[in-house]
Amino acid sequence: GQNIDQPTEMTATEGAIVQINCTYQTSGFNGLFWYQQHAGEAPTFLSYNVLDGLEEKGRFSSFLSRSKGYSYLLLKELQMKDSASYLCAVKSNYQLIWGAGTKLIIKP
Amino acid sequence: DAGVTQSPTHLIKTRGQQVTLRCSPKSGHDTVSWYQQALGQGPQFIFQYYEEEERQRGNFPDRFSGHQFPNYSSELNVNALLLGDSALYLCASSPPGDNEQFFGPGTRLTVL
Repeated sequence: GQNIDQPTEMTATEGAIVQINCTYQTSGFNGLFWYQQHAGEAPTFLSYNVLDGLEEKGRFSSFLSRSKGYSYLLLKELQMKDSASYLCAVKSNYQLIWGAGTKLIIKP
Repeated sequence: DAGVTQSPTHLIKTRGQQVTLRCSPKSGHDTVSWYQQALGQGPQFIFQYYEEEERQRGNFPDRFSGHQFPNYSSELNVNALLLGDSALYLCASSPPGDNEQFFGPGTRLTVL
């Protein structure tokens, strides 16, 4: 079957660093995406990994290990506006298979 | 340049009715995917349209159907609505040969 797991909720402090993990088991793999979703809004693209390793984009970085079925999203210098849900999604053929999302709460 | 647009924004229907949701992709995009997102859950893939054909379908019943027009816009139709169909329906478009999907604001469907 298809399964993507990520923590339900995480709390971090403004200015700190947080790592959100995602593990997956899917029948196909054509890349892994991270999206940010604020409550009541559509998901917005953060990162895409198709090869193993770390992709860095400003305050956000994403890591992929295909052999372990594992990815993480690293957020640095947290800001209050980073409070949102973070969704991990695996592309399998043409579809995206999504995790349930990790709600990130940022405290001052 | 307008992004992905969806209409209507909100919709209230009763059980057994039929609904049509509309999506206009971002300029230059030729592929449209539809997702259903229940509250507190990740999106669930309904189907994807490319060159006016359904290219792949997720695990949704035949009550869910769609269409893509020559201008790449798309419709999602749901027949015989159930209470469980209440959700946010998201449309996403992709440019030719690109993996990234750009999402519209969604249509919030409530079935009473």
